[in-house]
Amino acid sequence: SQTIHQWPATLVQPVGSPLSLECTVEGTSNPNLYWYRQAAGRGLQLLFYSVGIGQISSEVPQNLSASRPQDRQFILSSKKLLLSDSGFYLCAWSGDGGGTDTQYFGPGTRLTVL
Amino acid sequence: GESVGLHLPTLSVQEGDNSIINCAYSNSASDYFIWYKQESGKGPQFIIDIRSNMDKRQGQRVTVLLNKTVKHLSLQIAATQPGDSAVYFCAEGRRAGSYQLTFGKGTKLSVIP
Repeated sequence: SQTIHQWPATLVQPVGSPLSLECTVEGTSNPNLYWYRQAAGRGLQLLFYSVGIGQISSEVPQNLSASRPQDRQFILSSKKLLLSDSGFYLCAWSGDGGGTDTQYFGPGTRLTVL
Repeated sequence: GESVGLHLPTLSVQEGDNSIINCAYSNSASDYFIWYKQESGKGPQFIIDIRSNMDKRQGQRVTVLLNKTVKHLSLQIAATQPGDSAVYFCAEGRRAGSYQLTFGKGTKLSVIP
């Protein structure tokens, strides 16, 4: 069966510091991968998605970037964190059948920028 | 239903009763719909999905109803249990031509023991 991992689970970082959140998927190959941010009481905001190694689509221009160095690894980064980057970050995967498909989420990373 | 501002709609039900959670979707071209359950501090968990060629689908203790005429989706939970307490939200998408799902903001279900 497929599993998705995210780490760290929680993170407290000062403003201006760099960020690296990692997501890995097991039990599937060539998945579509997604990064979302969820603010309290709000829906999921899609940040990035990737349909293959090195292929990144950005949905919202911002202080963050994403990379996919391996088939089942997706990384969310920032060079300098802002207070507004605080939130709950979720990674998700879906099948590679093309088109919208069920997305399965990881456990999330709670990021607090102070 | 959908949230307004920062406050999620809340549904309180007695343990053992049935729960109905509603969702209005926006895109008449959407042909795929999913319900997720999210417990506090955790990632969303897939519950059930339905395609637009169906109007009803049943799972274990859950039923999803789709009314394409009024763009309305509902999730029915039978014999609600304390472990069902969570935020539930729907997602809509198109099976072809897009990699994106559009998510609702959710409804908070509270089960009264």
